[in-house]
Amino acid sequence: AQKVTQAQTEISVVEKEDVTLDCVYETRDTTYYLFWYKQPPSGELVFLIRRNSFDEQNEISGRYSWNFQKSTSSFNFTITASQVVDSAVYFCALYTGTYKYIFGTGTRLKVLA
Amino acid sequence: DAGVTQSPTHLIKTRGQQVTLRCSPISGHKSVSWYQQVLGQGPQFIFQYYEKEERGRGNFPDRFSARQFPNYSSELNVNALLLGDSALYLCASSQEPGTSGGEETQYFGPGTRLLVL
Repeated sequence: AQKVTQAQTEISVVEKEDVTLDCVYETRDTTYYLFWYKQPPSGELVFLIRRNSFDEQNEISGRYSWNFQKSTSSFNFTITASQVVDSAVYFCALYTGTYKYIFGTGTRLKVLA
Repeated sequence: DAGVTQSPTHLIKTRGQQVTLRCSPISGHKSVSWYQQVLGQGPQFIFQYYEKEERGRGNFPDRFSARQFPNYSSELNVNALLLGDSALYLCASSQEPGTSGGEETQYFGPGTRLLVL
């Protein structure tokens, strides 16, 4: 079975704090992709990052960083020095080369000024 | 370059009616996928089309149908609407399905908010 779990339903932080969003996935496929999307109140899902199963190198892009660990089937996302504009729902998704993305239930991030 | 566009942005229907939602993919993208997102949940896959052929279908009743046109735009049709069909319907486009090179990365449109009364 393929599944994505985002155990954190909602997180509230004060501006400038760092925040990590957790994602745990399940798949038996050896080739797959993991994604993070941001959904602001407008509703559009905004693509943030894509990682394939063969690339465990973690990356930092500006205030965003990602931690991919196959050993624990986790793909966590960290925002450094959070800003109010980061407030949104964040979705982790799994793609195994079939035809569909499997999304988690999302984590609502509230950044308070 | 224009992103994925969807129309209409909002729609109100009554139970039993039929609805058609439209999507135009990013220029150069040949694959379109449709997702339903109920409030408070993640998007659920409905259909994927590639080169005008249906490549996959999610666990949705036959009341849901779709098609892709020669210009790669797509329509999602829902017949005999139920209250439970109220949701945000998202369209996503990608260059092509697969697991290589990033062509499978899906880019989403703003969605159509459907309310069934």
